[in-house]
Amino acid sequence: AQTVTQSQPEMSVQEAETVTLSCTYDTSESDYYLFWYKQPPSRQMILVIRQEAYKQQNATENRFSVNFQKAAKSFSLKISDSQLGDAAMYFCAFNFGNEKLTFGTGTRLTIIP
Amino acid sequence: GAVVSQHPSWVICKSGTSVKIECRSLDFQATTMFWYRQFPKQSLMLMATSNEGSKATYEQGVEKDKFLINHASLTLSTLTVTSAHPEDSSFYICSVGGGLTNTEAFFGQGTRLTVV
Repeated sequence: AQTVTQSQPEMSVQEAETVTLSCTYDTSESDYYLFWYKQPPSRQMILVIRQEAYKQQNATENRFSVNFQKAAKSFSLKISDSQLGDAAMYFCAFNFGNEKLTFGTGTRLTIIP
Repeated sequence: GAVVSQHPSWVICKSGTSVKIECRSLDFQATTMFWYRQFPKQSLMLMATSNEGSKATYEQGVEKDKFLINHASLTLSTLTVTSAHPEDSSFYICSVGGGLTNTEAFFGQGTRLTVV
């Protein structure tokens, strides 16, 4: 079975500081796609960043970057220079090649002014 | 990216009635759409894959007779919750994309269903 685990139900960070959200997964697939989605209070799902499993280079999108450790099956999200607008639920998600997105349980991020 | 419009944004219905939720892909022809359900403070759970011109594929444990899905065109999928009960109250979200490629999934704004 393919599983996705986010072990941090809640995280908080001081504005302008850096925070890392963790995500681990389990799969026997060798090729897959990984995503971090943000769900603000509006509940609209917004893509933050994506990573292809076959790429060794970690993806970066402005203040957001990932640390992808394929052997360890770990896919963490680092948010630098945290802003108030970053407050949201964050979900890691995977496309394991079967046309479906499997979501983690989510981490609620609070930004402290 | 694709723009996905979901309607209504919220709906309240009485127990025993049916309610239809629409998911429209405004600028993207989607042969496949996905329907998710999200309980408060929980993650998104895939309910079914909507296939244009053919039957939907339901996830294990999802009652296909209760959650009717129709994907009659490349831009419209509908989810009908039949004979709704309070336990069907939830947040329902549709998406397009996110298939066998690395392209992102585009989500509708969601529908909050309350059954009273």
